[in-house]
Amino acid sequence: DQQVKQNSPSLSVQEGRISILNCDYTNSMFDYFLWYKKYPAEGPTFLISISSIKDKNEDGRFTVFLNKSAKHLSLHIVPSQPGDSAVYFCAASEYFSGSARQLTFGSGTQLTVLP
Amino acid sequence: EPEVTQTPSHQVTQMGQEVILRCVPISNHLYFYWYRQILGQKVEFLVSFYNNEISEKSEIFDDQFSVERPDGSNFTLKIRSTKLEDSAMYFCASSGQIRTYEQYFGPGTRLTVT
Repeated sequence: DQQVKQNSPSLSVQEGRISILNCDYTNSMFDYFLWYKKYPAEGPTFLISISSIKDKNEDGRFTVFLNKSAKHLSLHIVPSQPGDSAVYFCAASEYFSGSARQLTFGSGTQLTVLP
Repeated sequence: EPEVTQTPSHQVTQMGQEVILRCVPISNHLYFYWYRQILGQKVEFLVSFYNNEISEKSEIFDDQFSVERPDGSNFTLKIRSTKLEDSAMYFCASSGQIRTYEQYFGPGTRLTVT
């Protein structure tokens, strides 16, 4: 099941520069997309979400871009800080009848921000 | 800031034994979930729970699994007869009524089946 794919297992950037994490999906029924950050031995921490009817959502240093025609989203972190070093997961949600949702996760990208 | 809590942080059990993993979701949330992550693999959905019943479950969530909300605060996952392949991190999550897709995760329980 590869409905959500993160093709880069790792990314290194210098402190202060931009980090760009990418995610592709195949299921056109996904209507919300989310990014989570995960430190070792902790649960995923919600960062930012975007609806499929939007192409950009911004929250502080984090911006998510959605290209629906390409089935591609990206997370931009500007400026990157050493504390941002973590595994970043892309996740997607599809509406079913009823209101609870399930998230489908990508495999994650390990971001390392070098001081 | 409210958070999801899970106990225990680590559970070691023998194959065939029953385990109960416990979670306290965020207090005003109405939707509850269990996910698991086998080492080196993706986070996978197991089950969602709303209004005291299962809303959806994945094919992983077979008859050996059950969930319960025994009181107003706890949400539990029971594995009736554990197998070696049940060894994983189990994450509980909850979401509110408006943005049900924004799920907040607990720190996880590491289950080791020997």
